[in-house]
Formats: sequence, structure tokens, C-alpha cells
Amino acid sequence: AAGVIQSPRHLIKEKRETATLKCYPIPRHDTVYWYQQGPGQDPQFLISFYEKMQSDKGSIPDRFSAQQFSDYHSELNMSSLELGDSALYFCASSLVAGRITNYGYTFGSGTRLTVV
Amino acid sequence: TQLLEQSPQFLSIQEGENLTVYCNSSSVFSSLQWYRQEPGEGPVLLVTVVTGGEVKKLKRLTFQFGDARKDSSLHITAAQPGDTGLYLCAGAKSGGYQKVTFGTGTKLQVIP
Repeated sequence: AAGVIQSPRHLIKEKRETATLKCYPIPRHDTVYWYQQGPGQDPQFLISFYEKMQSDKGSIPDRFSAQQFSDYHSELNMSSLELGDSALYFCASSLVAGRITNYGYTFGSGTRLTVV
Repeated sequence: TQLLEQSPQFLSIQEGENLTVYCNSSSVFSSLQWYRQEPGEGPVLLVTVVTGGEVKKLKRLTFQFGDARKDSSLHITAAQPGDTGLYLCAGAKSGGYQKVTFGTGTKLQVIP
């Protein structure tokens, strides 16, 4: 079965550079979520999209932006990178379809971003 | 302030032993999920509980949702080395597209 695909798997950038992370959700899933996980920490919610519209916003810095495209894939754009942005970035998708209960996500394998 | 507190934070046990991980909050959740994560990989959903008092079993894993829907537990019977990993609980407030908030995590090591 198709899973959530994230690219790239690893990314090394220098301070003040920009980075773009891509996420391809499971086909027919209508919601995408982005999480950031620092070393030894639990995943922190950044932002989510439901049917291509932003549905929720968490602790996402102003230097970051994201969008979901017509084919439901999503991109997380990160500018003016700082050393503290080094982390694992996960994308997850789910099929909401008007449900009132969140039954859980399918996560991708993540993008490991290292800022040097 | 962490919304979901897990205990213990670390657990190292011998193969064959039983263990329980707790996930506690002062908030009420519409659903609570348990994930298992291996280093460098994304969390994998184990179970979702939605009804207060609900108990779900997944082979040697037993999940329980508290009556007030504020807490949950994960019990593993006869732990195996393959159970080693980071266990995360995650709560959703309401609404199908609502984000989940993750707990502080429990790192489990099962020694052969």
C-alpha cells in the first residue's frame, strides 16, 4: 500500500539559506499535517491543511510557510535558516471526510534537516 | 506546560517481563492515539481509542482509555526485543481534522 512520501530524506543547509520540504500524502487523504521533532523531543505541531486550506497553525516560525497544492501534495518552505532549525520534519496525512473524530495519522519517514 | 504527560520517561526491562506506560492529562480528549517510533523514522499508529473506558487489545498490547477521557494506559505482556522503541500517546480535542498533541514519550528498551 502507498505510504506518505517525503523528500528529501536528508538535507544539509547553511545558516541563512532556504529549504523546501515536500510531502506526498496517501492517495485520497484530504488532510496534511507538518510536525517538527528535535533530538530527544516529542513531535511539535507546525501547521495543517484540510482540502488545500490551512486548517490549523501551531508553533511555526514566521520564517516558515507552507501550502497544499491541487494534487494534495504539500510543501514546507523554510527561509533564513538557523542552527536551531535542525530537526526531523515529519509530514502526516489522514482521511477526515467530515468525520468528527480524529482516528489517527499515517506519518512519512521524515526529512532530517541539518543546518550548519 | 505539556498537555500530555507520559510515565515512565525511560524503561529498561528484560525480555518476558510485563510493563505499563501511562499517559495523563488534565484535559478531555475526543480521541487518544498511541504511536510507536523507531530512531530516524516516523511514528507508526498502533491504536485509536475514542470511548471513555474503552479497552483495545492488539496481540500482546492492551490499551485503555480512562472513563473521563483524560488519560490512557498501554500494557505490554511478555515484552520482546522487537518492542523496543519510543512510545507516544497523542490526543485530539475534537473535529476530524484537528491536530493531535503528542505526549512526552516513553523510551522502552527490552533486553534479550
